[in-house]
Amino acid sequence: EVQLLESGGGLVQPGGSLRLSCAASGFTFSSYAVYWVRQAPGKGLEWVSGISGSGGRTDYADSVKGRFTISRDNSKNTLDLQMNSLTAEDTALYYCAKGHGDYAPSNYFDYWGQGTLVTVSS
Amino acid sequence: DIQMTQSPSTLSASVGDRVTITCRASQSVDRWLAWYQQKPGKAPKVLIYEASVLQSGVPSRFSGSGSGTEFTLTISSLQPEDVAAYYCHQYKTSSNMFGQGAKVELK
Repeated sequence: EVQLLESGGGLVQPGGSLRLSCAASGFTFSSYAVYWVRQAPGKGLEWVSGISGSGGRTDYADSVKGRFTISRDNSKNTLDLQMNSLTAEDTALYYCAKGHGDYAPSNYFDYWGQGTLVTVSS
Repeated sequence: DIQMTQSPSTLSASVGDRVTITCRASQSVDRWLAWYQQKPGKAPKVLIYEASVLQSGVPSRFSGSGSGTEFTLTISSLQPEDVAAYYCHQYKTSSNMFGQGAKVELK
């Protein structure tokens, strides 16, 4: 059974940093692209970032480019998102999602975690 | 970037009604389009991919059609458990844009 478990969310001050993690199980992690998708309170879905199975290709939404860094450790089956220079507009539930395949250049998302909440506030 | 526009934003329908949601892309995404259902407090779940392919386990009352820039998601006979938000998602490009969502409510 595919499982994605996010962690690392919390309250952070504007300008601060936070690192999210996603622990994956139930599939051959290195064979699939994985993604971060966020949802601000009461709003729709926003793709944030994606990374290929090998980690060799990454992409970012314009809204986070230069501030967020996605990475993966295929030996530990984990996905990370390092978030710097956070603003109130980054407040959201952050989901980890598995791509149906590897980068092609993208995929639909066939499994999702339950999300981890990031709140940016003073 | 390719922009995705859904309509309507909200719709109210009765149990048994046929419901249609439209998604338009600002440029062609071929058939690289997925539909997701998100129930309150839950993670999204894929319903349809490649515009019209039903994900395993999804009830057959859900169907998708379209190609290029115009797509539809149809629920042939609305059930109470279908109350949710529905999102389209283009995955032709790595920018992965979602539509703004369509909320389906019971009348």
